[in-house]
Amino acid sequence: AAGVIQSPRHLIKEKRETATLKCYPIPRHDTVYWYQQGPGQDPQFLISFYEKMQSDKGSIPDRFSAQQFSDYHSELNMSSLELGDSALYFCASSSGASGRESDTQYFGPGTRLTVL
Amino acid sequence: AQKVTQAQTEISVVEKEDVTLDCVYETRDTTYYLFWYKQPPSGELVFLIRRNSFDEQNEISGRYSWNFQKSTSSFNFTITASQVVDSAVYFCALSEAQGGSEKLVFGKGTKLTVNP
Repeated sequence: AAGVIQSPRHLIKEKRETATLKCYPIPRHDTVYWYQQGPGQDPQFLISFYEKMQSDKGSIPDRFSAQQFSDYHSELNMSSLELGDSALYFCASSSGASGRESDTQYFGPGTRLTVL
Repeated sequence: AQKVTQAQTEISVVEKEDVTLDCVYETRDTTYYLFWYKQPPSGELVFLIRRNSFDEQNEISGRYSWNFQKSTSSFNFTITASQVVDSAVYFCALSEAQGGSEKLVFGKGTKLTVNP
């Protein structure tokens, strides 16, 4: 079965640079979530989209922005990178939607971002 | 506010032992969903189970079983006859269906090491 695809899998950036992470949800899934997992930490919710609209926002820095496109893929844009942004970034998709019964979130393999 | 507590930070067992991972949650909602995810050393997050708040039936899947008790707000996970391949970090997570937000709130995780 098709899974969530994330690219790139690994990314190395310098401080103050920008990065773009991409996520391709499971076919027919209309909801995308982004999570950040620091070393030895649990995943923390950043932001979610349903039908190309932002549905919820967590502890996402103002330096980060995201969007969902017409083909349902999503991109997380990160600017003015800091050392503390080094983490594993997960995208998850589901077929649920805000206000309806929660559906299972399936996670991609993650993008490991290292900021030097 | 939602909260998930996994009191066991690390557990080490010998192969073939049974092991139970504890999860206690807090929520003000009457409708919510509980999940377990496995994160092996390779880093991906693998979905194991989803349980609705109105379904307290315990579940067994092969060597895995889950005990959901609303009275104690617990959703414990037991691995029977553990194997080395079970070594991973296991996360318990909670999402609420009401209020339009279905983000996952994770516990801190329990690192399970199964020694041969």
